[in-house]
Amino acid sequence: QKEVEQDPGPLSVPEGAIVSLNCTYSNSAFQYFMWYRQYSRKGPELLMYTYSSGNKEDGRFTAQVDKSSKYISLFIRDSQPSDSATYLCAMSAKKTSYDKVIFGPGTSLSVIP
Amino acid sequence: DADVTQTPRNRITKTGKRIMLECSQTKGHDRMYWYRQDPGLGLRLIYYSFDVKDINKGEISDGYSVSRQAQAKFSLSLESAIPNQTALYFCATTGTENTGELFFGEGSRLTVL
Repeated sequence: QKEVEQDPGPLSVPEGAIVSLNCTYSNSAFQYFMWYRQYSRKGPELLMYTYSSGNKEDGRFTAQVDKSSKYISLFIRDSQPSDSATYLCAMSAKKTSYDKVIFGPGTSLSVIP
Repeated sequence: DADVTQTPRNRITKTGKRIMLECSQTKGHDRMYWYRQDPGLGLRLIYYSFDVKDINKGEISDGYSVSRQAQAKFSLSLESAIPNQTALYFCATTGTENTGELFFGEGSRLTVL
């Protein structure tokens, strides 16, 4: 079993839809949870960062963490064609030791105008 | 100019050849990383360096070596390339900010024939 599982998609939605992206993990030591967005032919960029359980909202994006279920989600409201990208979940047990960041394989999202 | 620059962006080589991928950054960060990205496997850490005198193996270091020539420069070498090293390689840096955000280069696509 991989430490971090993520449905690779591809996921295709119409413009304006609500998108739900999810990851599950097996290591209960993970406390820091991140979502990176990767456009084609580009490096990943940090989108959301959360610590422990709970929700965090930033504009059209909401990150949720349920540590009891070892499950994290990213919701995108009013999706736009510019949201078309691959979304990578990432997690770590410690804040600054990025040697232990584990990435999911990524979900490819297409938002159709 | 990009904060994290990788060269070359694309390279095709033959089995057994020595290859070097170079990374330079202008963010002033001490911590630098090399990741490999393969479809369905996510980003996996090859090597990382917390300062010029510090080099550490990641989860998939076999067949690779690195050199930290200066704070701003971190190169990855494949001493004798093999076809299963065909992948997209990313250099990243991070500072000591609260989020520990990773800043990625745009990637180097390597094909080993």
